[in-house]
Amino acid sequence: ETGVTQSPTHLIKTRGQQVTLRCSSQSGHNTVSWYQQALGQGPQFIFQYYREEENGRGNFPPRFSGLQFPNYSSELNVNALELDDSALYLCASSLQGRGANVLTFGAGSRLTVL
Amino acid sequence: GESVGLHLPTLSVQEGDNSIINCAYSNSASDYFIWYKQESGKGPQFIIDIRSNMDKRQGQRVTVLLNKTVKHLSLQIAATQPGDSAVYFCAETLKETSGSRLTFGEGTQLTVNP
Repeated sequence: ETGVTQSPTHLIKTRGQQVTLRCSSQSGHNTVSWYQQALGQGPQFIFQYYREEENGRGNFPPRFSGLQFPNYSSELNVNALELDDSALYLCASSLQGRGANVLTFGAGSRLTVL
Repeated sequence: GESVGLHLPTLSVQEGDNSIINCAYSNSASDYFIWYKQESGKGPQFIIDIRSNMDKRQGQRVTVLLNKTVKHLSLQIAATQPGDSAVYFCAETLKETSGSRLTFGEGTQLTVNP
């Protein structure tokens, strides 16, 4: 059984650029959630995808968008990057139903915006 | 908005001692709580969960206590080991099976001294 894998692990962008982060969910999981974790803080919910559709969104602007693919993998896209977007972006997978909120997290993608 | 918070940002204990990490929550509608452990460079890892109709749940060396009257959650780690050194987050959600967002606290850094 493979866990959640994310890529890239680290990346550096400049303000105004766009970034795409990728996530492969754990085998058997059908739901993917994305969280933003600023340094020294707890993860903040961005959005969740289930059946290739957005299934809940946190307090993030529209320039944060995502996709889920038929194989349950997912992408997080951020447009018009701002300095405050610098953070660890965590992908988590789960299985809808009982235990849906027992998330399995990846190691994250560390984004630095200069 | 309502959120989960923590009483102490850091906790230092001696190896072999018991550790207690506390968490306060303010959303009385939350009915499912989870503790996560995050080691440096890794994503959060599930430790133990508890539903709101319970006040105590035990795992291997860990116990979670829930006091709904004062909206307080705690994680007890028995015989703390150096490998327990990490940041611990409590998280809450509205329903166990809804796949809804998790709201995380800011975390407590646990350091175990040999």
